[in-house]
Amino acid sequence: TQLLEQSPQFLSIQEGENLTVYCNSSSVFSSLQWYRQEPGEGPVLLVTVVTGGEVKKLKRLTFQFGDARKDSSLHITAAQPGDTGLYLCAGPSYNNNDMRFGAGTRLTVKP
Amino acid sequence: EAGVAQSPRYKIIEKRQSVAFWCNPISGHATLYWYQQILGQGPKLLIQFQNNGVVDDSQLPKDRFSAERLKGVDSTLKIQPAKLEDSAVYLCASSLSQTANYGYTFGSGTRLTVV
Repeated sequence: TQLLEQSPQFLSIQEGENLTVYCNSSSVFSSLQWYRQEPGEGPVLLVTVVTGGEVKKLKRLTFQFGDARKDSSLHITAAQPGDTGLYLCAGPSYNNNDMRFGAGTRLTVKP
Repeated sequence: EAGVAQSPRYKIIEKRQSVAFWCNPISGHATLYWYQQILGQGPKLLIQFQNNGVVDDSQLPKDRFSAERLKGVDSTLKIQPAKLEDSAVYLCASSLSQTANYGYTFGSGTRLTVV
């Protein structure tokens, strides 16, 4: 059923701390995407990872795709209040027509 | 480029009433999606259009939900009659590609509250 499980569900940290959130599945995905959604807005695409073991960096954000392409992680270094939001991972459906989303990790970074 | 436009931003209706949402995708994007996002959950696909044809509506509750994309541009999603469990954010997204690998551009969504 291509379920994507994200953990933790909620995370509250102080500004300047580091954190890692996870996206896991029992299914193999051809790619995974990470989105950030701020309150009252739609999700915004951050990155797409395609190759097993791939690591991509976006400023203070580091994304990794698992070797077996079943999981991914997002690491944020020196978190800032502007990083606050819902982080969603998504993978293509079996027919590659649409994206299936996890339930997300809700991150709060306190000043 | 202009983003995906959705309206209204908020809607409150009583159960058993009807409601319609509108979406204008990014110009040139042939693929349009409607997603439902219930509080505390990730977005769930309701329907996917390629131009003005339906690609996938397997998760659309067709007894009460309907959607159309006349002329392959704007789209409307209707709920009639609404139930309490339809309270959610309805997100429209568009994509240049028919396949899912290249990511979507989402609109800001319509927050529906059914009372």
